[in-house]
Amino acid sequence: NAGVMQNPRHLVRRRGQEARLRCSPMKGHSHVYWYRQLPEEGLKFMVYLQKENIIDESGMPKERFSAEFPKEGPSILRIQQVVRGDSAAYFCASSPGTGGGMNTEAFFGQGTRLTVV
Amino acid sequence: AQSVTQLDSQVPVFEEAPVELRCNYSSSVSVYLFWYVQYPNQGLQLLLKYLSGSTLVKGINGFEAEFNKSQTSFHLRKPSVHISDTAEYFCAVRWSSGGSNYKLTFGKGTLLTVNP
Repeated sequence: NAGVMQNPRHLVRRRGQEARLRCSPMKGHSHVYWYRQLPEEGLKFMVYLQKENIIDESGMPKERFSAEFPKEGPSILRIQQVVRGDSAAYFCASSPGTGGGMNTEAFFGQGTRLTVV
Repeated sequence: AQSVTQLDSQVPVFEEAPVELRCNYSSSVSVYLFWYVQYPNQGLQLLLKYLSGSTLVKGINGFEAEFNKSQTSFHLRKPSVHISDTAEYFCAVRWSSGGSNYKLTFGKGTLLTVNP
């Protein structure tokens, strides 16, 4: 059973370009979460999605950032018109459910390291 | 707001010495507690978790942690570290009450450096 797959692992964009980060959850997982890790910081929650639905986007910046998890295919985190402050590691996690018990654990991908030059 | 505090940003130790990485969180209501390890340029790997039951939790690579509800702490320990334990360690908390019980709140991390 493959783990959470993120691509690309590294992404370099010039200021003003768009960045697209992809995440394929573990098989059987229908819940996807995106977190951002700024330099020397812990991970910060950005958004929680289920298939075709955004459940909680309270951690997303109000502008330029969007996320989707279509019925088919990976989840996409999209950053438009990137700025240097967007440089960070973006991690995706997935879980089979939410709440307590065995559904609690979220499995993380390797992350995408975005560098804006 | 709920928060997680890792008191030490860096912990240098010698090989085979014991180590404790400290973690405190802001609220004593129902919580699920986790420790993750991140090796350089890698993703997060779960070391151990506390969901319920025994307050002493054993994880992978010889690590263990103890949930202390009265002190709202979940310190990570290992009796004898190896060079290969050099990594960043993150404490994370999920508050099980309220509408956002899926959300992990992370501490800022502790860089453990094991020296020969």
